[in-house]
Amino acid sequence: EVQLVQSGAEVKKPGESLKISCKGSGYSFTSYWIGWVRQMPGKGLEWMGIIYPGDSDTRYSPSFQGQVTISADKSTSTAYLQWSSLKASDTAMYFCARVQGSGTYYNVWFDAWGQGTLVTVSS
Amino acid sequence: EIVLTQSPGTLSLSPGERATLSCRASQSVSSSYLAWYQQKPGQAPRLLIYGASSRATGIPDRFSGSGSGTDFTLRISRLEPEDFAVYYCQQYGSSPLTFGGGTKVEIK
Repeated sequence: EVQLVQSGAEVKKPGESLKISCKGSGYSFTSYWIGWVRQMPGKGLEWMGIIYPGDSDTRYSPSFQGQVTISADKSTSTAYLQWSSLKASDTAMYFCARVQGSGTYYNVWFDAWGQGTLVTVSS
Repeated sequence: EIVLTQSPGTLSLSPGERATLSCRASQSVSSSYLAWYQQKPGQAPRLLIYGASSRATGIPDRFSGSGSGTDFTLRISRLEPEDFAVYYCQQYGSSPLTFGGGTKVEIK
């Protein structure tokens, strides 16, 4: 069974750094892209970026380029999403998801999702 | 960037009724690269449909997708109690990937 297990909820202050994780199991972690999706409170879904754990090839949505860093450690089958300086507007639920599809990095959809990590940024 | 507009915003129906959800794109979605997801409160989204009309593994056949170009539709033939949720479409024909704003299917 494909599983993506994310790290627990975080409460941070503006300006602090944060790294959240997403551990994959039940499939070959290095053979599938992993994506990150943001959901702000009461809002819809926004694609942030994706990474190929096999070689760490990473692509970002223009909306999130420079705002976050996506990485992966294939030795532990874990993908990461990190911020160097959080803002209140980063308060949201963040989902990781396994990517399916072929062709270019954006001809993809998400077939398995983590349970989400709630990040709250407040002074 | 392709903007996806879902309608209606909320659909109020009774169990057993048929639901028809619309997803309209601001420009043509190449190769019918459109997916649909279901999200229940407090849960992650679940893939229902990809390639506009292919059901994902384990998805009941009461869910069906259709459409091409700029107009796509998700139909639920007979609503079961567990189908009341929010539904999102997502295009993957061009970068960046984008999602629609969602349609909430609520119990009437």
